[in-house]
Amino acid sequence: QSVLTQPPSASGTPGQRVTISCSGSSSNIGSNFVNWFQNLPGTAPKLLIYWNNQRPSGVPDRFSGSKSGTSASLAINGLRSEDESDYYCAAWDDSLSAYVFGTGTKVTVL
Amino acid sequence: QVQLQESGPGLVKPSETLSLTCTVSGASISSSYWSWIRQPPGKGLEWIGYIYYSGATKYNPSLKSRVTISVDTSKNQFSLKLSSVTAADTAVYYCARAPNYDIWRFDPWGQGTLVTVSS
Repeated sequence: QSVLTQPPSASGTPGQRVTISCSGSSSNIGSNFVNWFQNLPGTAPKLLIYWNNQRPSGVPDRFSGSKSGTSASLAINGLRSEDESDYYCAAWDDSLSAYVFGTGTKVTVL
Repeated sequence: QVQLQESGPGLVKPSETLSLTCTVSGASISSSYWSWIRQPPGKGLEWIGYIYYSGATKYNPSLKSRVTISVDTSKNQFSLKLSSVTAADTAVYYCARAPNYDIWRFDPWGQGTLVTVSS
């Protein structure tokens, strides 16, 4: 059972904005950076956001991250069909002394 | 560009030791942190542990008693051993790289390899 909670699913039509939440606690999100990963089944997971809101080179600026207190969010602007994938938040947890991933959110493009 | 490729047996018997190798190309293994992460079928991601080229390691406490990660700088490879496996260890196992200055910035990842634990 993950300590980072995400909604199981999210959806939108092409061009819409979709937001995914990641809820944690003071021992993880509240005191450490959050990363976001895109995981299309059958392919290598991909880093989307690091240090809460930074995009690696090559990641479209349609993807953005934010953090407030013990929660974080990933926003996808201008949703495209290729964004249909699973998304995971992640952070170091001081209490568990482990790097933990969120429960994952499946994004569907309608 | 940096590429990682996992290799090893796809089937392991219960109580035996799972052994996987990650081969790194496009970069020296003597420059980053190297992690193993797994994903059971239909479930989320779980960090297993990492190694630095010097041999320093850190493991997930939930697996620590059964995990060993090692590095072979001459082959530009690092390896995972997980002992006393059960069906719960059935998963896709990924290897990933992280830079020296941010050990949790997993980028890139390997394609992953499915390991099934079954008799």
